[in-house]
Amino acid sequence: KQEVTQIPAALSVPEGENLVLNCSFTDSAIYNLQWFRQDPGKGLTSLLLIQSSQREQTSGRLNASLDKSSGRSTLYIAASQPGDSATYLCAVNTGNQFYFGTGTSLTVIP
Amino acid sequence: GAGVSQTPSNKVTEKGKYVELRCDPISGHTALYWYRQSLGQGPEFLIYFQGTGAADDSGLPNDRFFAVRPEGSVSTLKIQRTERGDSAVYLCATKAEISYNEQFFGPGTRLTVL
Repeated sequence: KQEVTQIPAALSVPEGENLVLNCSFTDSAIYNLQWFRQDPGKGLTSLLLIQSSQREQTSGRLNASLDKSSGRSTLYIAASQPGDSATYLCAVNTGNQFYFGTGTSLTVIP
Repeated sequence: GAGVSQTPSNKVTEKGKYVELRCDPISGHTALYWYRQSLGQGPEFLIYFQGTGAADDSGLPNDRFFAVRPEGSVSTLKIQRTERGDSAVYLCATKAEISYNEQFFGPGTRLTVL
């Protein structure tokens, strides 16, 4: 069974810092990997989707990378802002199922 | 509508009661997923529909849980004889038919079993 791990579980940074969130998975047979943001009491908002054949995707201040062979993905956030404070989740798609990590809770301090 | 919608947004019930949770997908999305999210955890897969049929229901925890999607659009997750441990946020997500397309989530239904 696919296991997805996210490190760190929580992260607190001052505004303006660049930061990296990590996601690792145990089975490299994936279709794609998706990063989400979840605000307290809300559903999930899709941030970036990386296909298994891709190495990275960028959207604004966000950049996600994928190293399928080593079972790793990173989400890079540039010039963090207080509005970035949320929980960030990664999910791997193995076909029928999506497996989620437990998330990284990010706090950006003004 | 433009996005995935779920009703009700909150449901409080007593132990032993029956509940139904509804998901309205994005128009044209053939794949539909139900997840359960407990506090501090990531979403946990329950069931996946491709059209009207359940393509994978291996995540349903026991036979008290059942889901239908009779016309390939709206889906209902049904929980019989609810237990306190069923309390969680139930999330629905849909995506277009091609397997590598991204999934879009609804806001969830927060179920509390007293």
